[in-house]
Amino acid sequence: SYVLTQPPSASVAPGQTARITCGGNDIGSKSVHWYQQKPGQAPVLVVYDDSDRPSGIPERFSGSNSGNTATLTISRVEAGDEADYHCQVWDSSSDHVIFGGGTKLTVL
Amino acid sequence: QLQLQESGPGLVRPSETLSLTCSVSGGSMTSSSHYWGWIRQPPGKGLEWIGSVYYTGSTYYNQYLKSRVTIFVDTSNNHFSLKVNSVTAADTAVYYCVRRRMAYDKSGFYGGQNFDYWGQGTLVTVSS
Repeated sequence: SYVLTQPPSASVAPGQTARITCGGNDIGSKSVHWYQQKPGQAPVLVVYDDSDRPSGIPERFSGSNSGNTATLTISRVEAGDEADYHCQVWDSSSDHVIFGGGTKLTVL
Repeated sequence: QLQLQESGPGLVRPSETLSLTCSVSGGSMTSSSHYWGWIRQPPGKGLEWIGSVYYTGSTYYNQYLKSRVTIFVDTSNNHFSLKVNSVTAADTAVYYCVRRRMAYDKSGFYGGQNFDYWGQGTLVTVSS
């Protein structure tokens, strides 16, 4: 079955840029979606279809996807961006939804 | 604004059946572009897709849970439900109901893409 690999943790100083990766075999051929989850809350969609943002999500959140790696980029990081971030794809060959293991972003 | 709200028992005995309902308000369940479904998250762990249902009743399930899971929809009362049979401690998790967007992906396949609306989640503990 298809596997998505995320680093368990990442850290960044306020005002800097955070990059969170999501690895998978030929993930560039799939549409990748990203969710932000703060403690005790439900996940919130922040990027869909590799690089589109839902309404209400700041432009600081962006995404890219090529080859075997998709990346969520958060520019000008704020304390409120501290959260777990999950990547997700739909594997058409198995008709399954796949989530990465999640990355805990710490704002120093 | 679409809202989803889970309801059901917070404690289930081992070997029994877990039953949850998701009430949908602020929108129609009969959209042709969306499925409805369930995702769970064991304490301290990642997200796991359980399955999805279309307003017609068509379903798709996680192959690893398929033998124990049923999802069904009641559009007249604007809700859908989840049943998980023969539960064990491994089924302890926060259960989220979600709306799933249907669209073509970049490879040209039509299917469920992202989850754009989530309920607040409900913790279900399996314990005697």
